[in-house]
Amino acid sequence: EADIYQTPRYLVIGTGKKITLECSQTMGHDKMYWYQQDPGMELHLIHYSYGVNSTEKGDLSSESTVSRIRTEHFPLTLESARPSHTSQYLCASATRGETQYFGPGTRLLVL
Amino acid sequence: QKEVEQNSGPLSVPEGAIASLNCTYSDRGSQSFFWYRQYSGKSPELIMSIYSNGDKEDGRFTAQLNKASQYVSLLIRDSQPSDSATYLCAVTYGGATNKLIFGTGTLLAIQP
Repeated sequence: EADIYQTPRYLVIGTGKKITLECSQTMGHDKMYWYQQDPGMELHLIHYSYGVNSTEKGDLSSESTVSRIRTEHFPLTLESARPSHTSQYLCASATRGETQYFGPGTRLLVL
Repeated sequence: QKEVEQNSGPLSVPEGAIASLNCTYSDRGSQSFFWYRQYSGKSPELIMSIYSNGDKEDGRFTAQLNKASQYVSLLIRDSQPSDSATYLCAVTYGGATNKLIFGTGTLLAIQP
């Protein structure tokens, strides 16, 4: 089982602010993912990475960007937060297999 | 078309009974199948994975896969109130892209 950490756990921020959601894992997993989940709704993949310097957009269009400079770190950035970005953001990682392990999530509220 | 379908529930099951959760998927190329449990306000937690047709048992949980029917299920024996949660079915798609598509989940409520 992976140890995955996300910070902050909760964030309330005003419209127009730049935010970065942090995700780190200590298991050396190559693959990392960002999902967005609204209450009672399914998870939507917004970004993924198969290794350092590899990032791809997911199935749900997102105004966020990601980077993968180190294996253990996969931050997500919103340059200008809007109320429509209010959601829960979940980070996951996986080994060579497809089993994904999730971090605790970040709940974002944009006022 | 990628799609994973689950009955949204709620599925109400008496304590001690067997809970049966079902999932169908549309991509015949899917190779790996997962069940996650998600408590309200928490992140998904892996319960079971299954890769080949048949049954796979782990404690009180049994996953069943039928690729011909594009159907995967999860049985929970001796249901406990702590099993009350949303159960997400997840399926790989797009060949070997290692991406998962999730169903909307089934809300399971175990009645004491």
